Amino acid sequence: DAGVTQSPTHLIKTRGQQVTLRCSPKSGHDTVSWYQQALGQGPQFIFQYYEEEERQRGNFPDRFSGHQFPNYSSELNVNALLLGDSALYLCASSFSSNNQPQHFGDGTRLSIL
Amino acid sequence: AQKITQTQPGMFVQEKEAVTLDCTYDTSDQSYGLFWYKQPSSGEMIFLIYQGSYDEQNATEGRYSLNFQKARKSANLVISASQLGDSAMYFCAMREGRGFKTIFGAGTRLFVKA
Repeated sequence: DAGVTQSPTHLIKTRGQQVTLRCSPKSGHDTVSWYQQALGQGPQFIFQYYEEEERQRGNFPDRFSGHQFPNYSSELNVNALLLGDSALYLCASSFSSNNQPQHFGDGTRLSIL
Repeated sequence: AQKITQTQPGMFVQEKEAVTLDCTYDTSDQSYGLFWYKQPSSGEMIFLIYQGSYDEQNATEGRYSLNFQKARKSANLVISASQLGDSAMYFCAMREGRGFKTIFGAGTRLFVKA
């Protein structure tokens, strides 16, 4: 039973570029959330996708956008990258019921030069 | 606004002893869920234990138990019989019943000594 998978594992970009991160949820899960985790901090909620729509968003600018596909996989896009976007980006999946725990992928470490 | 506070940046525990990691939360909702996650140095977040706000008994999962004190808004994690592999960051998290956003505390780094 495959867990949450994220790609790529590591990525290096320069300021102003755009990046796309990908996530496949755990089998049976229909909800995907994205988090940004800066070094030494807890994860910060970016947004959640369910039924191919963003259903809640955290305090992140519009440069951060996403998409969910019919097979429940998801992408996180970040435009006009800033140095401060350097972080570990975590994808988490769950079943739609709100009391279910989220299962996390191993993350994508994004470095901005 | 919802908030999670973990006041212990780092904790040391001797192997085979029990340790308590503190977590307090703030919410105006009556319905919410509390979670603990473990994050080893490799980076993945591992779900440990869940407590619902209406659950009358404290949650337990193997060596992990959650000391839930609703009136004090605390949800401390107790790890019994610590093992060297328990060395990691531990995050307390909360999700309000009306929302879909999970918020995390700053974490506690646990060091288990042989």
